[in-house]
Amino acid sequence: DAKTTQPNSMESNEEEPVHLPCNHSTISGTDYIHWYRQLPSQGPEYVIHGLTSNVNNRMASLAIAEDRKSSTLILHRATLRDAAVYYCILRDVQNAGNMLTFGGGTRLMVKP
Amino acid sequence: KAGVTQTPRYLIKTRGQQVTLSCSPISGHRSVSWYQQTPGQGLQFLFEYFSETQRNKGNFPGRFSGRQFSNSRSEMNVSTLELGDSALYLCASSARQGFGEQFFGPGTRLTVL
Repeated sequence: DAKTTQPNSMESNEEEPVHLPCNHSTISGTDYIHWYRQLPSQGPEYVIHGLTSNVNNRMASLAIAEDRKSSTLILHRATLRDAAVYYCILRDVQNAGNMLTFGGGTRLMVKP
Repeated sequence: KAGVTQTPRYLIKTRGQQVTLSCSPISGHRSVSWYQQTPGQGLQFLFEYFSETQRNKGNFPGRFSGRQFSNSRSEMNVSTLELGDSALYLCASSARQGFGEQFFGPGTRLTVL
């Protein structure tokens, strides 16, 4: 499976935008980019996913580089509830079924 | 719609014992996956079941096994428990295989003494 690289931790102020980067230089053409987050004492939850084009949903936006070797999860206005570990995951849906390969993720701390 | 439920939420066992954990997926979901989360190794995939068949398996010893019933409920079993099996065991359900959002349960915290 293609590997992702994320910073171990990031800090943000409440009400400000947050840009969480992810590098995936060995991404293949059939890899989708998925983001999940894990709030304290909870299981992970889906945030967003994309293939080539930028994507928006009610939770976040996903910006994908033109060469697909990196992506950025954007939280438009961080709240205290957004403090979590964010995981960037590549899913080759042709080969891996529903298996998710989690890396270390980025621990986001939000300051009031 | 009720979310993914896992029972029990907490469990304490001693080395050498065996344990069975249960997962009830979201109604209508046919895929159930299991993950182990530890501070040292992070989140690791154990196995996935779809329509009662194991579809994927992670790199865990044979002491870890699972099954899925016709109502999509799943159980995982760990035999001959070791101290290193202490972890949070998470179950995730999905409506279909190969794509789509996965919904995780709150997990079962297993402590092996």
